Amino acid sequence: GAGVSQTPSNKVTEKGKYVELRCDPISGHTALYWYRQSLGQGPEFLIYFQGTGAADDSGLPNDRFFAVRPEGSVSTLKIQRTERGDSAVYLCASSRSGGDEQFFGPGTRLTVL
Amino acid sequence: AQSVTQPDIHITVSEGASLELRCNYSYGATPYLFWYVQSPGQGLQLLLKYFSGDTLVQGIKGFEAEFKRSQSSFNLRKPSVHWSDAAEYFCAVGPPYNQGGKLIFGQGTELSVKP
Repeated sequence: GAGVSQTPSNKVTEKGKYVELRCDPISGHTALYWYRQSLGQGPEFLIYFQGTGAADDSGLPNDRFFAVRPEGSVSTLKIQRTERGDSAVYLCASSRSGGDEQFFGPGTRLTVL
Repeated sequence: AQSVTQPDIHITVSEGASLELRCNYSYGATPYLFWYVQSPGQGLQLLLKYFSGDTLVQGIKGFEAEFKRSQSSFNLRKPSVHWSDAAEYFCAVGPPYNQGGKLIFGQGTELSVKP
């Protein structure tokens, strides 16, 4: 079946702009995760959804970052007033339930000029 | 604090040689342990996982890993490396199975394979 998909695959924006990154999880997966991977580093956790609600948003770096999952399926990560330091690959993962194996999407590479 | 350490940033091995990638973790309870592989431009692919039971776990592509509680380690091994194994390898820990929650990743080990 289809895996986790993320759009766009690449996003180039200017400092100060707003961006939205989309994640389509595997059908039927109730848990969804966002991670951020900077060059030469391992992925770092941002936020975890169980259904429509954020079960853990402790990884969001500041209030410029926000994520939603209004119908318990697709999720959007929103970044306001982007900064050059936000440049990274943003990874989405989903799992059947909260404690199950996480399946990762290919990521969105965000470049802030 | 919860953390994962992969001491080796980069390893080079000859094709056909054996491989061991090190992973040490710090976690409050016995965590769910994972090894992922990431090829350039690709997403993370799960190689293997451990929660309980036999401490030697087998994964895909001929990889195995051994959980050693006393050393808080979960090292990845392969008896004979193939050129296609060149990639970045990440060790990760997560909450015990069915408890849900974030994975904590190590910094990664980049594997190069010499012909």
